[in-house]
Amino acid sequence: RKEVEQDPGPFNVPEGATVAFNCTYSNSASQSFFWYRQDCRKEPKLLMSVYSSGNEDGRFTAQLNRASQYISLLIRDSKLSDSATYLCVVNYRSGGYQKVTFGTGTKLQVIP
Amino acid sequence: EPEVTQTPSHQVTQMGQEVILRCVPISNHLYFYWYRQILGQKVEFLVSFYNNEISEKSEIFDDQFSVERPDGSNFTLKIRSTKLEDSAMYFCASMSGAGNEQFFGPGTRLTVL
Repeated sequence: RKEVEQDPGPFNVPEGATVAFNCTYSNSASQSFFWYRQDCRKEPKLLMSVYSSGNEDGRFTAQLNRASQYISLLIRDSKLSDSATYLCVVNYRSGGYQKVTFGTGTKLQVIP
Repeated sequence: EPEVTQTPSHQVTQMGQEVILRCVPISNHLYFYWYRQILGQKVEFLVSFYNNEISEKSEIFDDQFSVERPDGSNFTLKIRSTKLEDSAMYFCASMSGAGNEQFFGPGTRLTVL
């Protein structure tokens, strides 16, 4: 099983739609979780951290389910500018250092 | 706002040549990373660096690759003898502390001819 798995998509959704992505991770000792956004030919940029209690930032909601080892990202009222690849990132401590693992990314295309 | 910078933005080289990709991480950060991304593919981990030494490296990071933090500000990735398949976008990232988010530089596009 891959350390961090995401559905690669693409998810094609109309403007205004709600879309959700899931990401599963294999290491139960994982400590911190993030969603990054990557535009074509650009660097990944932090979208939001994911906290145990769940967190919201405007139209974006992130949730963590430690029991089932997945995190989710919900985007409400999709905008054309939300079109990007969304990367799930999981950190854990391994042998005295921090291991950072990226998912393969989920591509979102918001259609007019 | 502090940011990670990378130079050059684009490097073109001949197969077999050595290249050095440069990064200046955010100044108070402690963890440093190199990733690569072949066009249209996923972000791939190359190496992590902490406390002046490599903490982890991937299978991609073979003997042709090396990293250095020579002066407390720069963080470099050297590819000794480039191959065609090394053509990719190379991203540097830094992290302030354990479990925190990474900040990425804008990347260096390496083209090997």
